[in-house]
Amino acid sequence: GENVEQHPSTLSVQEGDSAVIKCTYSDSASNYFPWYKQELGKGPQLIIDIRSNVGEKKDQRIAVTLNKTAKHFSLHITETQPEDSAVYFCAVASGSARQLTFGSGTQLTVLP
Amino acid sequence: EAGVAQSPRYKIIEKRQSVAFWCNPISGHATLYWYQQILGQGPKLLIQFQNNGVVDDSQLPKDRFSAERLKGVDSTLKIQPAKLEDSAVYLCASSIGQGVAFFGQGTRLTVV
Repeated sequence: GENVEQHPSTLSVQEGDSAVIKCTYSDSASNYFPWYKQELGKGPQLIIDIRSNVGEKKDQRIAVTLNKTAKHFSLHITETQPEDSAVYFCAVASGSARQLTFGSGTQLTVLP
Repeated sequence: EAGVAQSPRYKIIEKRQSVAFWCNPISGHATLYWYQQILGQGPKLLIQFQNNGVVDDSQLPKDRFSAERLKGVDSTLKIQPAKLEDSAVYLCASSIGQGVAFFGQGTRLTVV
């Protein structure tokens, strides 16, 4: 089955700095790569996603890049704010069923 | 638009007891998922429904877990008998076909 590795497990940045989280996957047939933000006591919330026919996608301060050859993708958050503090999960899906395999999560802390 | 509703939010039971969780997906979403999220880990898929039919239950421990989705709308997940290692957050998600998955807030189960 699919294996997703996520790094780092914890990340602390100063407010205003950038944060980068990286994920690698094993199944070359994977074609959908979402990122979810999970705040304490809440369910995961989609923040951005990318499909395999696109190399990069940006939405305001958040961007995702995909390298299908190397089988890795990254989340970039610029101008971080304290409210960005949360656990971030990458996920991977393939085929028509779109079942998500999640990474192990990154606890992001933005220091004021 | 109302989100995915789950109840209860919290449940504490003794091992060997039974428990049931309820999920009401977003209106019009034909696909429904149940995920298990153990503390410190990413969500893991238990079962996927398309309308009232099971698409994939390969990761559902069928000796103790069961799930149904009557009439293709609400769903219940049951555990009987519960074990200590079942302590986790149980997340329900829904999507339109193979589109973006939206998650509920989850039910936190503690087995003592």
